[in-house]
Amino acid sequence: RKEVEQDPGPFNVPEGATVAFNCTYSNSASQSFFWYRQDCRKEPKLLMSVYSSGNEDGRFTAQLNRASQYISLLIRDSKLSDSATYLCVVNFNQAGTALIFGKGTTLSVSS
Amino acid sequence: DAGITQSPRHKVTETGTPVTLRCHQTENHRYMYWYRQDPGHGLRLIHYSYGVKDTDKGEVSDGYSVSRSKTEDFLLTLESATSSQTSVYFCAISEGHEQYFGPGTRLTVT
Repeated sequence: RKEVEQDPGPFNVPEGATVAFNCTYSNSASQSFFWYRQDCRKEPKLLMSVYSSGNEDGRFTAQLNRASQYISLLIRDSKLSDSATYLCVVNFNQAGTALIFGKGTTLSVSS
Repeated sequence: DAGITQSPRHKVTETGTPVTLRCHQTENHRYMYWYRQDPGHGLRLIHYSYGVKDTDKGEVSDGYSVSRSKTEDFLLTLESATSSQTSVYFCAISEGHEQYFGPGTRLTVT
């Protein structure tokens, strides 16, 4: 069975903190990896695709460890607006039609 | 903005009635998807389409059918709605392996 596991949290952090989310996946043949952000009662929005070498977008850094089947998302200098649920997503086929979503990790940033 | 709209945005219906949800996209994407999202579960794929009249089942397809007669529209039909189909339904398109979602339809079956 293809599975994606995340710590549900919630993670409660003050503004300016650094916070890291982890995600593990079950299938070593997984093709591509993503982090989505979902605000309450809204659609998921793509935050970052995760590349083998790791990638950074401003305050956000994603890492992939294929050997350990593990993905991470690091958020530096947290803002109030970062409060949301973060979804780890793994694609299990070459066509890109087999996305499996984690249940999400909830982040609450307070002032 | 991936140019995806969903209608209706909210619907309350009774058990046993048929329901059709519509997903409309404006950017000629080949692949379209229907997901449902429920508390305690990640998004789960219901059906997807890889072209006009070309569809395939996802993880939770029982009780659902789909149709795609035009590139821009992907319809999800619940032939006889059940309370277990109360959920939030999201449509998505893909560009490469990245998927982009519509605003969702909140369906309540009473």
